[in-house]
Amino acid sequence: GENVEQHPSTLSVQEGDSAVIKCTYSDSASNYFPWYKQELGKGPQLIIDIRSNVGEKKDQRIAVTLNKTAKHFSLHITETQPEDSAVYFCAATTRNSGYSTLTFGKGTMLLVSP
Amino acid sequence: SAVISQKPSRDICQRGTSLTIQCQVDSQVTMMFWYRQQPGQSLTLIATANQGSEATYESGFVIDKFPISRPNLTFSTLTVSNMSPEDSSIYLCSVERGPGQGTYEQYFGPGTRLTVT
Repeated sequence: GENVEQHPSTLSVQEGDSAVIKCTYSDSASNYFPWYKQELGKGPQLIIDIRSNVGEKKDQRIAVTLNKTAKHFSLHITETQPEDSAVYFCAATTRNSGYSTLTFGKGTMLLVSP
Repeated sequence: SAVISQKPSRDICQRGTSLTIQCQVDSQVTMMFWYRQQPGQSLTLIATANQGSEATYESGFVIDKFPISRPNLTFSTLTVSNMSPEDSSIYLCSVERGPGQGTYEQYFGPGTRLTVT
């Protein structure tokens, strides 16, 4: 089955700096890669995603890149703000019998200091 | 996206008892999923619930321990049976929603925080 590795496990940055979180996946059939932000006491929130036919996607301060050959994808957050502090999870999915099964990375705790 | 609610939001239960968690979605969805998130850990899929059919369980999870109901297209329940302290986790439901074809996005509920003493 799919295996997703995520690094780093913790990341501390100063407000205004950029943050990068990297993930690798094992199943070359995976075709959809979402990123979730989980704040303390809340459920994961989908913040951005990318499909295998696209190399990069941006949404304001966040962007995701995908390298299918190397089987890795990354989340980039620019101009970080204290409210970006949360745990971020990457995931990979393969369409299977009409639905998608998500495999998650272990998460990255991002701390943005004012 | 989707608006998903879960009940209860948290509970403290005694070992050996059972707890049923409810998940309600604001519109009809085909697939609903149940995940477990142990303290400080990532999300692990328990099972996939399709309306009108038996739930599909992932390796390591069995129906006797985690029975699931899916009576209609907006509602599902997960029961954690014969609980032990190792069942202390956040239980999350999610739904799949997307365009007519291709890969679908999954949206999560707020979670149910279960502590077993």
